[in-house]
Amino acid sequence: EDQVTQSPEALRLQEGESSSLNCSYTVSGLRGLFWYRQDPGKGPEFLFTLYSAGEEKEKERLKATLTKKESFLHITAPKPEDSATYLCAVQTQGAQKLVFGQGTRLTINP
Amino acid sequence: NAGVTQTPKFRVLKTGQSMTLLCAQDMNHEYMYWYRQDPGMGLRLIHYSVGEGTTAKGEVPDGYNVSRLKKQNFLLGLESAAPSQTSVYFCASSFYSYNEQFFGPGTRLTVL
Repeated sequence: EDQVTQSPEALRLQEGESSSLNCSYTVSGLRGLFWYRQDPGKGPEFLFTLYSAGEEKEKERLKATLTKKESFLHITAPKPEDSATYLCAVQTQGAQKLVFGQGTRLTINP
Repeated sequence: NAGVTQTPKFRVLKTGQSMTLLCAQDMNHEYMYWYRQDPGMGLRLIHYSVGEGTTAKGEVPDGYNVSRLKKQNFLLGLESAAPSQTSVYFCASSFYSYNEQFFGPGTRLTVL
């Protein structure tokens, strides 16, 4: 059974304090790994798709990386507006749907 | 473009009542999805559609029905609501299954 586990469940940082969020996955064959951001009371917003081990993508203060077993979302010098829940999802070969992790709730204090 | 819209935003039902949630997208996407999101459970797929006139079961389909009569609309029905169906419901759409999904703003449903 395909599984996605995100850690930590919650993370509190000071503004400017860099850190990483983890997404570990167990799938039969990875087609793609997706990162989303979700603000309270809103729907998830797409950030990145990674397809193969070694791939990296960046957007402002965020960088996503992928290995054969996990993905990291690195946040550099975060600001309070980066506070949100970050969701990871995987799609396996031949599947038509995503399997989501439970998310990491990130809080950046000014 | 409005993207993905959902109607209604909030709803309170009594046990046994029925209702329909409407999802609409204006991006000409082939794929549409219905999820529910519960604390500690993450997003779970209820039903999805790979094109107009098609539907398929997801991870938690029991107690729900769906229809996709038009490409741009995907309806989620609850025939006899139960308290266990209290949740936030999200609709999403994508061009193809391997593309990123675009989500609507959600519907908060409470069943008393």
